[in-house]
Amino acid sequence: AQSVAQPEDQVNVAEGNPLTVKCTYSVSGNPYLFWYVQYPNRGLQFLLKYITGDNLVKGSYGFEAEFNKSQTSFHLKKPSALVSDSALYFCAVRDITGSGGYNKLIFGAGTRLAVHP
Amino acid sequence: ETGVTQTPRHLVMGMTNKKSLKCEQHLGHNAMYWYKQSAKKPLELMFVYSLEERVENNSVPSRFSPECPNSSHLFLHLHTLQPEDSALYLCASSQDTAVGYNEQFFGPGTRLTVL
Repeated sequence: AQSVAQPEDQVNVAEGNPLTVKCTYSVSGNPYLFWYVQYPNRGLQFLLKYITGDNLVKGSYGFEAEFNKSQTSFHLKKPSALVSDSALYFCAVRDITGSGGYNKLIFGAGTRLAVHP
Repeated sequence: ETGVTQTPRHLVMGMTNKKSLKCEQHLGHNAMYWYKQSAKKPLELMFVYSLEERVENNSVPSRFSPECPNSSHLFLHLHTLQPEDSALYLCASSQDTAVGYNEQFFGPGTRLTVL
């Protein structure tokens, strides 16, 4: 079965420090991986995706993610955290078990990032 | 703004009421989705429409009835809901092909409270 796991419910980091939000996946075949962010009282916003190619993917707001096939991980990173990065972050993987023609995603449970001044 | 709008943003309804949630996408996408987001639970996919045809219905109770009159609009009709249906309902859209790796764009959601 295809799945995605976010092992941390919450990540705390000081402003200016690097941050990492962890994600591991389990899929058959090549994974299509996504990161989304959700600010309070808002919908999810797309940050970045990995389809193929370079293992380091750059996205919005200075975020990047590293795809590691051997560890089946796709961790989200940022070199220097901002207080405004505080939000809920979701990792997702495309579910290929559904019928074709649309992009069905399996989401992780989410990780709350708290950046302290 | 993501190009996906949802109305109303907040809705309070009794268990005997009938109401509808509306979603509109201005992105020219060909697939639209309804999700339910409850506290401390993963995002739940409810319905998927591709080219205005319902292609997925994830064992959602019949008190939720989706409608997709055209590729830009998606509705979720609600009737005789239960308090446990209180949640944030999110609409999303994407431009999909057989390969299917394009990101989904989400609306801001409708916060539903069932009394």
